Amino acid sequence: AQSVAQPEDQVNVAEGNPLTVKCTYSVSGNPYLFWYVQYPNRGLQFLLKYITGDNLVKGSYGFEAEFNKSQTSFHLKKPSALVSDSALYFCAVRASNTGGFKTIFGAGTRLFVKA
Amino acid sequence: SQTIHQWPATLVQPVGSPLSLECTVEGTSNPNLYWYRQAAGRGLQLLFYSVGIGQISSEVPQNLSASRPQDRQFILSSKKLLLSDSGFYLCAWRGTPKDIQYFGAGTRLSVL
Repeated sequence: AQSVAQPEDQVNVAEGNPLTVKCTYSVSGNPYLFWYVQYPNRGLQFLLKYITGDNLVKGSYGFEAEFNKSQTSFHLKKPSALVSDSALYFCAVRASNTGGFKTIFGAGTRLFVKA
Repeated sequence: SQTIHQWPATLVQPVGSPLSLECTVEGTSNPNLYWYRQAAGRGLQLLFYSVGIGQISSEVPQNLSASRPQDRQFILSSKKLLLSDSGFYLCAWRGTPKDIQYFGAGTRLSVL
């Protein structure tokens, strides 16, 4: 069965500092990995994905994520945080052979960026 | 371009009343469609998904049902709402070949 873990409920970082939001996954076969962001009372927005290729994936708004197969992790990073990055972040995984292309989402990590 | 519409944005319903939430997608054909529920602003729970008209897969046994009467229309229903049905309901469609899910703005349901 597929699963995603986001071990931190909340991450606090000062504006201008680097940020990391952690994600680990479990899936049979090759994983498709995603990060989404949610602003208050809105739907989720896609940030980036890893399917194959380079382990470092670059996405929207300066975010990037590193796929680590041995550690089954896909941590989200940004070199310099902005106050506007404050939001709820979701890691998601899908097995390459999943019926209906079901994607499993983590519980979410709330990011607070302080000015 | 593709867009996804979800309504209503907010709904307050008494316990025992029926429910109908509608989701429509424009600009694509034969999309995979999904209903999620998000409780207390946290994790998403997949409720139903559909790969085609009339094809519904249920992920969690519950008080809700889903239907797909048209290619780009996905409806979430209940005959009698429970307090525990309160939450934020999100509809999404899966785009190909990018394999990204695109979400509607959501419906906040309060059952009182």
